Amino acid sequence: AQKITQTQPGMFVQEKEAVTLDCTYDTSDPSYGLFWYKQPSSGEMIFLIYQGSYDQQNATEGRYSLNFQKARKSANLVISASQLGDSAMYFCAMREHGSGNTGKLIFGQGTTLQVKP
Amino acid sequence: DGGITQSPKYLFRKEGQNVTLSCEQNLNHDAMYWYRQDPGQGLRLIYYSQIVNDFQKGDIAEGYSVSREKKESFPLTVTSAQKNPTAFYLCASSSLPGESSNQPQHFGDGTRLSIL
Repeated sequence: AQKITQTQPGMFVQEKEAVTLDCTYDTSDPSYGLFWYKQPSSGEMIFLIYQGSYDQQNATEGRYSLNFQKARKSANLVISASQLGDSAMYFCAMREHGSGNTGKLIFGQGTTLQVKP
Repeated sequence: DGGITQSPKYLFRKEGQNVTLSCEQNLNHDAMYWYRQDPGQGLRLIYYSQIVNDFQKGDIAEGYSVSREKKESFPLTVTSAQKNPTAFYLCASSSLPGESSNQPQHFGDGTRLSIL
């Protein structure tokens, strides 16, 4: 069954340093997409970055990059040069493109990141 | 600006009462979704709809109902059968997956529901 696992409930990082948030997934569908969202304390979900299962290169979007290791079924988010505004909860999510292609997202439990000044 | 509007921001429910959460989008998206989030947890899918007048149950549909009479609107009713309704509810929309698989779901700002 499809599943997303985020093993780090909470993380601390010093301002201006880089941090990696872990995400592993399980699926039997060869075609899928992986998403990362940021949820500040106010509650809204902000889309950060996307990686497709057939993409040859790791996705990057400004200070966000995705370390995609397909054989290990991991899709870790790397945030470079952390800022105080990066303090939030981060969710990894997966969308399978088979199974009727419903567009449903499966979310992990999230990682709370706190950036220290 | 295009986006998703959820209302109200806060909602209180009395015992035995049904309450309806509103979700409206002006992104011209075909697909809409309702998620529930409990404190410190991830999002769980309640219902989703890919087309007007059609919707499917998600993973935790019991005690909830939805309708999709218009493309722009996907209201969620939390019925009295939902015994533990206190949670944060998020509505999302997206283009149909077959059209653009890399397009993310866009979320509203959520509704916090509590029991009085």
